[in-house]
Amino acid sequence: QVQLVQSGAEVKKPGASVKVSCKASGYNFNGYPTHWVRQAPGQSLEYMGWINAASGNTGYSQKFQGRVTITSDTSASTAYMELTSLISEDTAVYYCARLSFRGFDSWGQGTLVTVSS
Amino acid sequence: EIVLTQSPGTLSLSPGERATLSCRASQSVSSSYLAWYQQKPGQPPRLLMYGASTRATGIPDRFSGSGSGTDFTLTISRLESEDFAVYYCQQYGSSPPITFGQGTRLEIK
Repeated sequence: QVQLVQSGAEVKKPGASVKVSCKASGYNFNGYPTHWVRQAPGQSLEYMGWINAASGNTGYSQKFQGRVTITSDTSASTAYMELTSLISEDTAVYYCARLSFRGFDSWGQGTLVTVSS
Repeated sequence: EIVLTQSPGTLSLSPGERATLSCRASQSVSSSYLAWYQQKPGQPPRLLMYGASTRATGIPDRFSGSGSGTDFTLTISRLESEDFAVYYCQQYGSSPPITFGQGTRLEIK
């Protein structure tokens, strides 16, 4: 079955960077773009960006442009999201999701990133 | 960027009642790319509806979606206890960025 498994929780200091991984299984990883969404505590879903692993093409929400980099390793069927210059407001659960014509039809379990001094 | 505004922010109803959730877009959205998600505490969102009105796999038929252009609706015909959650609409036709509404919290009255 389709599955996205993310890396574990992280605690970072302000100014640091974090890199979250998302390993796909049960489908052709190159056939579907992988997207990243975050959710601050008690808040709504916030879109961050995407990658097409087959082409390497990426797109980012303007809010995160310059601070987020999404990459992939097709041999490992894994996507990565790196966020730099962390501030306390970046404390959130970060999700990866597969986009099909149906929308985000499969999600990772989420990775909690806590930014605290 | 297309802004999605959901109403109401919170909906308090009893099991067995009908729930009507609204999602309004700041500009026209292709119905093909309007989705609804359900999220329960500590879980990722779950796809409920896509193409504005097509139920995702395994979603019971008490859930229905409708709408076009800038106005979309998710209806739950007879609420069951497991339906109390937060619901989000999403447009994914205009990308980037894909956008979500701010959510409607459906709580037990």
